Amino acid sequence: DAKTTQPPSMDCAEGRAANLPCNHSTISGNEYVYWYRQIHSQGPQYIIHGLKNNETNEMASLIITEDRKSSTLILPHATLRDTAVYYCIVPNYGGSQGNLIFGKGTKLSVKP
Amino acid sequence: NAGVMQNPRHLVRRRGQEARLRCSPMKGHSHVYWYRQLPEEGLKFMVYLQKENIIDESGMPKERFSAEFPKEGPSILRIQQVVRGDSAAYFCASSPVGLEAGTQYFGPGTRLLVL
Repeated sequence: DAKTTQPPSMDCAEGRAANLPCNHSTISGNEYVYWYRQIHSQGPQYIIHGLKNNETNEMASLIITEDRKSSTLILPHATLRDTAVYYCIVPNYGGSQGNLIFGKGTKLSVKP
Repeated sequence: NAGVMQNPRHLVRRRGQEARLRCSPMKGHSHVYWYRQLPEEGLKFMVYLQKENIIDESGMPKERFSAEFPKEGPSILRIQQVVRGDSAAYFCASSPVGLEAGTQYFGPGTRLLVL
């Protein structure tokens, strides 16, 4: 089972910031939070990851609360091409390093 | 730097035939992962391989499915005696040695249709 919970869907106006929340209340001290997205019919795309501090790259920003029980992915200026399903993932390190558990994610619709 | 390559992109098989899906990881990556996405569902982990070794196959169906990642050449996901329920998108991902395991880079997928 996924360790994270996300809203099933969100809308965002083109050009505005999209803020996608994720709850991961059972995260342990050495577990990272990863974000991926899947644009329709394409392979998942890595966006960003973090442990404790806020992170920013050319795609997005990741804000992690101080208690690490939740995080928010921010797309600062959403475009129509950002319409996708966004997945917040806490990788399963127990026994294997390979098991990314994709839950249902948040379906983000960017509207003109 | 080319990304993860998968071929074929689309594959049609009749029930009972074999399907072979190929994955070439990114240059310098020695870890390969296979995932399956059934229609209208999320991605499910199948198997994790390093060169010549299966590390975790906990998501592989017990029968008809096998995977390998030889010393030379691409990783192969093999499905024997395909059935209609095998119709899905199969995604391969790769990661380099030493990075956190969650940073996986995905290929475009192979869409398998079983008639």
